[in-house]
Amino acid sequence: DSGVTQTPKHLITATGQRVTLRCSPRSGDLSVYWYQQSLDQGLQFLIQYYNGEERAKGNILERFSAQQFPDLHSELNLSSLELGDSALYFCASSVSPQAGSGANVLTFGAGSRLTVL
Amino acid sequence: QKEVEQDPGPLSVPEGAIVSLNCTYSNSAFQYFMWYRQYSRKGPELLMYTYSSGNKEDGRFTAQVDKSSKYISLFIRDSQPSDSATYLCAMRGNNAGNMLTFGGGTRLMVKP
Repeated sequence: DSGVTQTPKHLITATGQRVTLRCSPRSGDLSVYWYQQSLDQGLQFLIQYYNGEERAKGNILERFSAQQFPDLHSELNLSSLELGDSALYFCASSVSPQAGSGANVLTFGAGSRLTVL
Repeated sequence: QKEVEQDPGPLSVPEGAIVSLNCTYSNSAFQYFMWYRQYSRKGPELLMYTYSSGNKEDGRFTAQVDKSSKYISLFIRDSQPSDSATYLCAMRGNNAGNMLTFGGGTRLMVKP
């Protein structure tokens, strides 16, 4: 168990629908990251929050949005879902915003598998 | 062209073999280099971390960074079936605004 908790583990929904993925970071970590992993695109960075504030944006679609709450948990909202949104969505956390520098390890959750039919 | 390139494999080896996994990159600003291991249907987990050039050893695993060639490697000695997974390299620069950039991953299969 990495300490990063993601729910739900699996989600099946229809095109046009909206879903919310939830993430609780590892205890003590202030920064949360969302990644999308599909077979053809690999691990794609979507968005990062640090202590409640948006820190960096990657290849996140306008149909997607996220937030980090005062208790540091984060939610990723995916709306107007399309077949191509089917993927694994990972949440990761780190102590400071500069994950990967020094001892600032980026720790991943087990992921939420989204299937859009 | 992607910033970090990694052969997707699959790479199939017999148990006990020495495995070499590699990544090439184009951004000379990268200073921190990592290897993540991802088992099927699980999240990536950090395996090795190196700063700048050089080697680092941890048990059966050795990470090498050659910044002059923009090339990093992960060697696995005495490979085991439990090493079967996808291995992703990741790297970032020194600036505060830099993000981790991942390779696409190499799928490794170690056959008993």
